[in-house]
Amino acid sequence: DQQVKQNSPSLSVQEGRISILNCDYTNSMFDYFLWYKKYPAEGPTFLISISSIKDKNEDGRFTVFLNKSAKHLSLHIVPSQPGDSAVYFCAARGLRDDKIIFGKGTRLHILP
Amino acid sequence: GAGVSQTPSNKVTEKGKYVELRCDPISGHTALYWYRQSLGQGPEFLIYFQGTGAADDSGLPNDRFFAVRPEGSVSTLKIQRTERGDSAVYLCATKKTGGPGELFFGEGSRLTVL
Repeated sequence: DQQVKQNSPSLSVQEGRISILNCDYTNSMFDYFLWYKKYPAEGPTFLISISSIKDKNEDGRFTVFLNKSAKHLSLHIVPSQPGDSAVYFCAARGLRDDKIIFGKGTRLHILP
Repeated sequence: GAGVSQTPSNKVTEKGKYVELRCDPISGHTALYWYRQSLGQGPEFLIYFQGTGAADDSGLPNDRFFAVRPEGSVSTLKIQRTERGDSAVYLCATKKTGGPGELFFGEGSRLTVL
């Protein structure tokens, strides 16, 4: 039973445009949501997080939006750059503990 | 180095053998996590430690898997009687206590069971 779901296995976006990656969760018992980026043959690296009490967090070209009523979050990248091509994982941290679980990932291709 | 170090980077073994995978955390990081990643999947939670104790081992698939962190630093993931289905990349990650969950990952140990 997957508690963190990324339903799009891949996404292609033109360079310079906005990339929007989506994530849904089924459990209300999370206090932080996080996005990680992964290049081939490397471990994931942390990108941005959002507390469950916020609805938006922005860091440079990256913005994460949280819609608690819909149990949905999204990562916006604008403008998209070639170096953004990677696999993006959505993750969630448990409210009562430090357990962090991940979605299956979305592979983002930035097209020239 | 300053990052999370995992050894070996690659391990090929035969079905039924015993395997140990090692993780050296970032100094001062008290929380340590093990994940397993199969092709096309996200990191699957196995276990995490706060200090020396396993705080949550609910992700360990069965009793062939065991992990220790005896001194609250280096951790070893142990797999007994390996099966072909255990083939995956095993990722270790660490973080400071508290905070939102910024994990620092190693590059992983790729296990292949023939």
